[in-house]
Amino acid sequence: DSGVTQTPKHLITATGQRVTLRCSPRSGDLSVYWYQQSLDQGLQFLIQYYNGEERAKGNILERFSAQQFPDLHSELNLSSLELGDSALYFCASSVAGTGGEEKLFFGSGTQLSVL
Amino acid sequence: GQQVMQIPQYQHVQEGEDFTTYCNSSTTLSNIQWYKQRPGGHPVFLIQLVKSGEVKKQKRLTFQFGEAKKNSSLHITATQTTDVGTYFCAGRSGNFNKFYFGSGTKLNVKP
Repeated sequence: DSGVTQTPKHLITATGQRVTLRCSPRSGDLSVYWYQQSLDQGLQFLIQYYNGEERAKGNILERFSAQQFPDLHSELNLSSLELGDSALYFCASSVAGTGGEEKLFFGSGTQLSVL
Repeated sequence: GQQVMQIPQYQHVQEGEDFTTYCNSSTTLSNIQWYKQRPGGHPVFLIQLVKSGEVKKQKRLTFQFGEAKKNSSLHITATQTTDVGTYFCAGRSGNFNKFYFGSGTKLNVKP
């Protein structure tokens, strides 16, 4: 158990809908990262937050948005869903925000299926 | 832009054979990390390499960081069925806030 909690584990929805994925980082971790993993693919970096502020952005679509709340949990919002958005979405947390040995601790992921 | 390429994409070995996956970056990296994802699981941190030419070992696993800090490798000696999974490298450079993950090497070990 990494200590990172992601909910829900599975989500089935229809095209055009909007969903919210939730992540609670490990206790004490200030950084939260979101990654998308399509079937048998690598990890595509979406976005990072550090202590409530957006720190870095990757290949995140305009239909997607995220935020980190004062209690450090994070939510990833996916809207106007398309079939191609079906993927496993991972959240990862770490202690540090910059430099050093910054290990990423991954949650178990949310499997999103868009039908 | 920053790219981290990883080869091979798949590797099937007989139990007891060795296995190597390679990671190459288009730019110099400040450090590189390796993660393992078991089937149906999530990536788990294995190790971080920072220094040019650094070599680290974890039991049957040997990790190397190239002299130019642009490439890295993970070598597993005498694979076991417990080694099955996808191995990812993740490089960091310049902007310390981003981890650039390779596409992963999926290892299958036949008993």
